[in-house]
Amino acid sequence: GPKVLQIPSHQIIDMGQMVTLNCDPVSNHLYFYWYKQILGQQMEFLVNFYNGKVMEKSKLFKDQFSVERPDGSYFTLKIQPTALEDSAVYFCASSLDRDAEQFFGPGTRLTVL
Amino acid sequence: GDSVTQTEGLVTLTEGLPVMLNCTYQTIYSNPFLFWYVQHLNESPRLLLKSFTDNKRTEHQGFHATLHKSSSSFHLQKSSAQLSDSALYYCALSGNYNQGKLIFGQGTKLSIKP
Repeated sequence: GPKVLQIPSHQIIDMGQMVTLNCDPVSNHLYFYWYKQILGQQMEFLVNFYNGKVMEKSKLFKDQFSVERPDGSYFTLKIQPTALEDSAVYFCASSLDRDAEQFFGPGTRLTVL
Repeated sequence: GDSVTQTEGLVTLTEGLPVMLNCTYQTIYSNPFLFWYVQHLNESPRLLLKSFTDNKRTEHQGFHATLHKSSSSFHLQKSSAQLSDSALYYCALSGNYNQGKLIFGQGTKLSIKP
């Protein structure tokens, strides 16, 4: 079936540094999402993105977070600067339409030291 | 706010026995969509079942679930567990007419023993 790829699978960085998480969504999908999962907790919605704009974001989507998809390339989540509480697995998802099935990537495990 | 509760963190069963994973939810929406996602080891979560119709059974790959709005439940069932069913199972909720944002439960790890 359709696959969403995420690069890298693991990332370790020092607190205060910038990090960019990359997502390669399903090729004809138009809606993109980021979810955050802290170890032992549920996946939580961060943001969704359509037509170059953030459609909805949660309270977890701090000012230090930003998303973009320049020219149909990777859908990225940037955190600048990072904090210890940003350590989590970040899942990217994409869907053809707003109410269509979301396809998830395998996640990027981010560790902030 | 909206929430999803999965009471069991770990369910361990012997192959061949029936499976039931609990999911209840709270929502302000009158027409929520409910989902079950499954995540096998080292794989991405993928959609297993979805429903928005009250009291209608939905089935896929041997699993079934029925949305009961009266009890705000969407339990996942299977008549006979297989070793390959071992995985993480997430129940999730979306608002009216599936607005895209998913609210997940904490997940239930299902472990099937021979």
